[in-house]
Amino acid sequence: GDSVTQMEGPVTLSEEAFLTINCTYTATGYPSLFWYVQYPGEGLQLLLKATKADDKGSNKGFEATYRKETTSFHLEKGSVQVSDSAVYFCALSTGNQFYFGTGTSLTVIP
Amino acid sequence: DAGVTQSPTHLIKTRGQQVTLRCSPISGHKSVSWYQQVLGQGPQFIFQYYEKEERGRGNFPDRFSARQFPNYSSELNVNALLLGDSALYLCASSHGQGSYNSPLHFGNGTRLTVT
Repeated sequence: GDSVTQMEGPVTLSEEAFLTINCTYTATGYPSLFWYVQYPGEGLQLLLKATKADDKGSNKGFEATYRKETTSFHLEKGSVQVSDSAVYFCALSTGNQFYFGTGTSLTVIP
Repeated sequence: DAGVTQSPTHLIKTRGQQVTLRCSPISGHKSVSWYQQVLGQGPQFIFQYYEKEERGRGNFPDRFSARQFPNYSSELNVNALLLGDSALYLCASSHGQGSYNSPLHFGNGTRLTVT
């Protein structure tokens, strides 16, 4: 079945460090791929998306490229800030439901 | 515009009781989905409703049921609560039926604790 596997955390980085959170997927069709972010006590917020192979989603300095050949959608940011501390979820959708990874907790220290 | 709103924000119930959670979607969104998020895990799909009809159901027991009203708001009901039902219940709305290209917009959730 459809599923998402993402890098386990927690991840701790210093401010201005480079961030990569790995995400790979398994899907029977042609999924759309998403990254969501969850701040403490809140629901999930859409960070970025890509709907077909080689698409690059980007938002707030975060980027991810839909790689069909490696079935991956890794999240990157060149210079993280303390305010980026949150839990990040990779997700896919091929129809009427989303499949989420287990989440990667990121803490950025000043 | 208001986002997805859920009520209540927190709830404490005893094993065997029943609970009803409520959700109002973003204005103009006709699809509502429910997800269960256990602590430390990603959300798991429970239901999707579109135009008041169930369009998808996840791997949850029949104790879980839902409905969507003519104004597109929705309720999730859970009967005969178990300790394992303790979780954050998230409601999400989207514009179209299929989530393929239409991202989910989540509410802040209802934290259910079963004792």
